[in-house]
Amino acid sequence: ETGVTQTPRHLVMGMTNKKSLKCEQHLGHNAMYWYKQSAKKPLELMFVYNFKEQTENNSVPSRFSPECPNSSHLFLHLHTLQPEDSALYLCASSQESWDTQYFGPGTRLTVL
Amino acid sequence: AQSVTQLDSQVPVFEEAPVELRCNYSSSVSVYLFWYVQYPNQGLQLLLKYLSGSTLVKGINGFEAEFNKSQTSFHLRKPSVHISDTAEYFCAVSATMNSGGYQKVTFGTGTKLQVIP
Repeated sequence: ETGVTQTPRHLVMGMTNKKSLKCEQHLGHNAMYWYKQSAKKPLELMFVYNFKEQTENNSVPSRFSPECPNSSHLFLHLHTLQPEDSALYLCASSQESWDTQYFGPGTRLTVL
Repeated sequence: AQSVTQLDSQVPVFEEAPVELRCNYSSSVSVYLFWYVQYPNQGLQLLLKYLSGSTLVKGINGFEAEFNKSQTSFHLRKPSVHISDTAEYFCAVSATMNSGGYQKVTFGTGTKLQVIP
């Protein structure tokens, strides 16, 4: 039990669809993260939130829009995605930005 | 800037043999070091971490790692692997960023450990 849940676990969407990924942490942590994990590519940090404020955006295309309404929830809104956006999207949280990150199981996204 | 290098993308090893997964880092400041494991279709989970104190760190599932400051390395070792250790292993380094003052974690590219029966 990692304490970080992600829904849905699998998502198939067309390029014109709009969908959202949800992450919830039950650990009382202050920082939350979105990562993209593609086959044969390094783990890519997308966004970081500390105390609900975005502290890092690693040149992510605007078709990915994060939202952090409170310190326990993190969303990733998706619209007009491309097939190359197909990947495993991992959410993580940590007490402090330097400390151990606790990961959710990920959402396997396929863009057709 | 900090970086992490895992030179071996895949490491095959026979069951009950020892294994070492290599990790080297670069950073101009003091660092914290981590090893994570990812089993198929799961997120990453912490194996062990070095924050300070003894340079030999013991983690879960019989793994250990040694922090070597002079060689800027944090290699992961296990004396005898099991089939269940087949997974991908990620080294990570945490250091204070020059701007903002907060520390960020940088992950390596991962090493796939394949344990052969």
